[in-house]
Amino acid sequence: GQNIDQPTEMTATEGAIVQINCTYQTSGFNGLFWYQQHAGEAPTFLSYNVLDGLEEKGRFSSFLSRSKGYSYLLLKELQMKDSASYLCALDSNYQLIWGAGTKLIIKP
Amino acid sequence: DTEVTQTPKHLVMGMTNKKSLKCEQHMGHRAMYWYKQKAKKPPELMFVYSYEKLSINESVPSRFSPECPNSSLLNLHLHALQPEDSALYLCASSQEPLAGGTWSREQFFGPGTRLTVL
Repeated sequence: GQNIDQPTEMTATEGAIVQINCTYQTSGFNGLFWYQQHAGEAPTFLSYNVLDGLEEKGRFSSFLSRSKGYSYLLLKELQMKDSASYLCALDSNYQLIWGAGTKLIIKP
Repeated sequence: DTEVTQTPKHLVMGMTNKKSLKCEQHMGHRAMYWYKQKAKKPPELMFVYSYEKLSINESVPSRFSPECPNSSLLNLHLHALQPEDSALYLCASSQEPLAGGTWSREQFFGPGTRLTVL
């Protein structure tokens, strides 16, 4: 199976750092995506990890450990506009196997 | 042009109506997807077209009928829908369906069509 688990909801303060975890059980995949989705809008691409390690992109970083079945998205210097759902998805050939998403609430 | 467009943005239809959702991309992508998304849930894959041919149908009821007239267009024809079919319908595209490499695997999503079935 390819069960993917993410926390349902997280709250953080503007200017702070937050880490959103994603754990999975799968027999194989090409890589792991992180997407951001604002309410009522389409998902937008944030990152794609193929190899183990940390990929940094400005305020957002994503980490993957295949041996541990674990990924996280790290958001720094949080802004109010970062309030959204964050979905991890396994890239299984050309199908994306989605986690349920984590709703991130940013407070002033 | 790096976007996927979808029309209409909103659609309200009765259970006896026939309507179509449209999706267009001009990025030269060869894979196109239809997803259904209910509130607070992740997108559910419905169909995948690869090089204009249907390659995946995730056991979707026949009241949903996809069509890919050419490499840039993807339609979803709707007929005799049920109220539980009300959802956000997302179209996406990616450069190559089975190629390796980071650059080819990102799916670009359209803004979606908000469908309400009365």
